Amino acid sequence: ELKVEQNPLFLSMQEGKNYTIYCNYSTTSDRLYWYRQDPGKSLESLFVLLSNGAVKQEGRLMASLDTKARLSTLHITAAVHDLSATYFCAVDRPYNNDMRFGAGTRLTVKP
Amino acid sequence: KAGVTQTPRYLIKTRGQQVTLSCSPISGHRSVSWYQQTPGQGLQFLFEYFSETQRNKGNFPGRFSGRQFSNSRSEMNVSTLELGDSALYLCASSWGGTGENTEAFFGQGTRLTVV
Repeated sequence: ELKVEQNPLFLSMQEGKNYTIYCNYSTTSDRLYWYRQDPGKSLESLFVLLSNGAVKQEGRLMASLDTKARLSTLHITAAVHDLSATYFCAVDRPYNNDMRFGAGTRLTVKP
Repeated sequence: KAGVTQTPRYLIKTRGQQVTLSCSPISGHRSVSWYQQTPGQGLQFLFEYFSETQRNKGNFPGRFSGRQFSNSRSEMNVSTLELGDSALYLCASSWGGTGENTEAFFGQGTRLTVV
């Protein structure tokens, strides 16, 4: 069964600092997703990573994928308060649309 | 373009009742997936429909069912509601094929409370 593990589950950061969220998954997958969720809201798509070595960046967030290690990272650069949210990674089984999510990382950025 | 629309947004039901939730995907998208989100279990995959056929199914009891119509709109039904079914139910819309265009977009969700 496909399992997805994120760490840390809780992250409290100072503004301006850098940090990385890790996402490990248990079996082969050809698609890795990162989502953001604000309290009481739905999921906002951040990145879709489709191949080994894929790297995508949007603003202060950068995501990468290592399919051999079954590892994706979400790097936060010079955090700002607006990044406070819960971040989820998810993977599909190959050729299936059945995303399995990690437990989420609740990020709090303090001034 | 219009996003994913879920109705209703909030629902309160009594144990033993049944409920139907609706999801209208983004125009042109043929895949609709359903997820249950609870504080204890997190986000769990329920099922996925593509071209009116259930293509994938998660580990939920048979009380949870769904269907998809020819216009890609989908409904999810939960029968004999239990307190533990209280959750945020999210649907996701995507093109549905393999390859590059796989991004899934979520609706605002239906908050179901079972009392």
